[in-house]
Amino acid sequence: AQTVTQSQPEMSVQEAETVTLSCTYDTSESDYYLFWYKQPPSRQMILVIRQEAYKQQNATENRFSVNFQKAAKSFSLKISDSQLGDAAMYFCAYRSAISVNYKLSFGAGTTVTVRA
Amino acid sequence: NAGVMQNPRHLVRRRGQEARLRCSPMKGHSHVYWYRQLPEEGLKFMVYLQKENIIDESGMPKERFSAEFPKEGPSILRIQQVVRGDSAAYFCASSPGLTSGSPYEQYFGPGTRLTVT
Repeated sequence: AQTVTQSQPEMSVQEAETVTLSCTYDTSESDYYLFWYKQPPSRQMILVIRQEAYKQQNATENRFSVNFQKAAKSFSLKISDSQLGDAAMYFCAYRSAISVNYKLSFGAGTTVTVRA
Repeated sequence: NAGVMQNPRHLVRRRGQEARLRCSPMKGHSHVYWYRQLPEEGLKFMVYLQKENIIDESGMPKERFSAEFPKEGPSILRIQQVVRGDSAAYFCASSPGLTSGSPYEQYFGPGTRLTVT
């Protein structure tokens, strides 16, 4: 079974600054997908960014970018120019690209606080 | 295109009662997943269904929990004889089949918060 680890329970960032959230995972598979989800106080799960393991290039979505290190099994999320609306719980998730079961395995989450 | 719908949003049950949680996937989606989120934890996979089939229920507790996704109508997660430990947020997600859209993306509903008193 795949294990996803987020070692930072909480992170705080000043508005307009940058924060990086770490995520590591354990898998024996060579092809998979990685995701970052945001869960604001409303509890709605919102997809922030995804990365295909076969792609070397790091994914970017506006102010959100990832640093994907396949050999190290590391997948960090960088939030640039942090805004108050970025305050939320962030979850890293893994999904096999080989198995027909597309279930997501989630980390425990990192709570991001943005200081005005 | 409406998103994934879940109802009710909040459900209160007394110990021993039954809880029924409903999930209507996005239009055109034939895959449904249920996840449970205990307080201060991440989401844990429970069950994966396609129309009229349970594909993987490895995350479901062996007793009291069942799920279905009939040919017509929403997917149902049923919890019989609820206990306090069942109190959690239950999320449903859907995705399209292999031949359409982005099969690797799951779209989440707003969740049902179950409270057992």
